[in-house]
Amino acid sequence: ETGVTQTPRHLVMGMTNKKSLKCEQHLGHNAMYWYKQSAKKPLELMFVYSLEERVENNSVPSRFSPECPNSSHLFLHLHTLQPEDSALYLCASSQSWGSFYEQYFGPGTRLTVT
Amino acid sequence: TQLLEQSPQFLSIQEGENLTVYCNSSSVFSSLQWYRQEPGEGPVLLVTVVTGGEVKKLKRLTFQFGDARKDSSLHITAAQTGDTGLYLCAGLQTGANNLFFGTGTRLTVIP
Repeated sequence: ETGVTQTPRHLVMGMTNKKSLKCEQHLGHNAMYWYKQSAKKPLELMFVYSLEERVENNSVPSRFSPECPNSSHLFLHLHTLQPEDSALYLCASSQSWGSFYEQYFGPGTRLTVT
Repeated sequence: TQLLEQSPQFLSIQEGENLTVYCNSSSVFSSLQWYRQEPGEGPVLLVTVVTGGEVKKLKRLTFQFGDARKDSSLHITAAQTGDTGLYLCAGLQTGANNLFFGTGTRLTVIP
């Protein structure tokens, strides 16, 4: 498989559940990103990993916990979410972090918190 | 305040018509990218512009970066139904490593 894949594509969870989103990139890239896309708001950068080290955490609540076990995989662990956390969560990767490097996005996970 | 404002927010046109969408900011960017996002998919990069006044063409799409590198436009000639999607601009500020995304323009091309 090529590009950036995300699983699951859709997720419905209660406020007390714990779930994880998975992202995998098959491009040999060194940087990976989590974004949140909500209706009527710009894409919000949540976390950045460069060479498996977290380099950005944009004031994201602790109920979102990222993990990057290797350069090809990225997880977003979710627990005790709020209804306002319902959104499309996009994973992206790029050759390196920053500058003009093109970001390749996955198809996203549509999350609904009930 | 949004760093990058896009207009219009929504646009619905007939196939064959021309259109222009805008991406404006009060900040200067070292580069600016345009993405298209189709339903159920992630954004896909269309173009990157890096020089003030630069014009790039991609088939029927023409992208321009403002002279002051604060704004950009995307012009589509003879729109097709396949152009339907959410168009996002994203800017990289000088010295920064992360992209700031615009508010998006949702384009619908009606057959």
